[in-house]
Amino acid sequence: TQLLEQSPQFLSIQEGENLTVYCNSSSVFSSLQWYRQEPGEGPVLLVTVVTGGEVKKLKRLTFQFGDARKDSSLHITAAQPGDTGLYLCAGGYGNKLVFGAGTILRVKS
Amino acid sequence: GAVVSQHPSRVICKSGTSVKIECRSLDFQATTMFWYRQFPKQSLMLMATSNEGSKATYEQGVEKDKFLINHASLTLSTLTVTSAHPEDSSFYICSARDRGSPPDTQYFGPGTRLTVL
Repeated sequence: TQLLEQSPQFLSIQEGENLTVYCNSSSVFSSLQWYRQEPGEGPVLLVTVVTGGEVKKLKRLTFQFGDARKDSSLHITAAQPGDTGLYLCAGGYGNKLVFGAGTILRVKS
Repeated sequence: GAVVSQHPSRVICKSGTSVKIECRSLDFQATTMFWYRQFPKQSLMLMATSNEGSKATYEQGVEKDKFLINHASLTLSTLTVTSAHPEDSSFYICSARDRGSPPDTQYFGPGTRLTVL
């Protein structure tokens, strides 16, 4: 059973556009992490959010953790071709990380 | 800091042979390491959790006799795919938890691409 639903699954946009990726669950997580992964490489941690309602910004990326710690979003402003990759959300659940299905983002120049 | 390495990065083997993949934490002690499997354009699937000095805990549906995990030291865990078959071909990724970091923090290795002919 997939505890963390991530959407959209695929996203193809033009350079300069904005986008938002969502992760939703009926479960409460101790934390929510976002990763970016390029083909043939391991995931690279972008951010960890821990507190309900928390918002973190990383240059053009804005991450939000829901008040109830059940959902999170990643917003990218003015996307660039270098943002292309697989974005994964992961929730801390017990002793493990539960991963969403991933969002494949392609930014065309 | 918090670097995790994997070796080899890529391996091709014949069906029926066994393959060992190493996961090392280079600059920290990892009391817990995790092994994941990833199919093309899909997310990570946790296979097992490995604690130093004890038996690994396998996720439902993962054959422990097929995927042997050893975590003999605080910096090394190994995954051995025994009697590999083409359906075992996949991208295997390990991660490690630093005892000094928050419980949910995992540092990922670069992955190992296994191709079974």
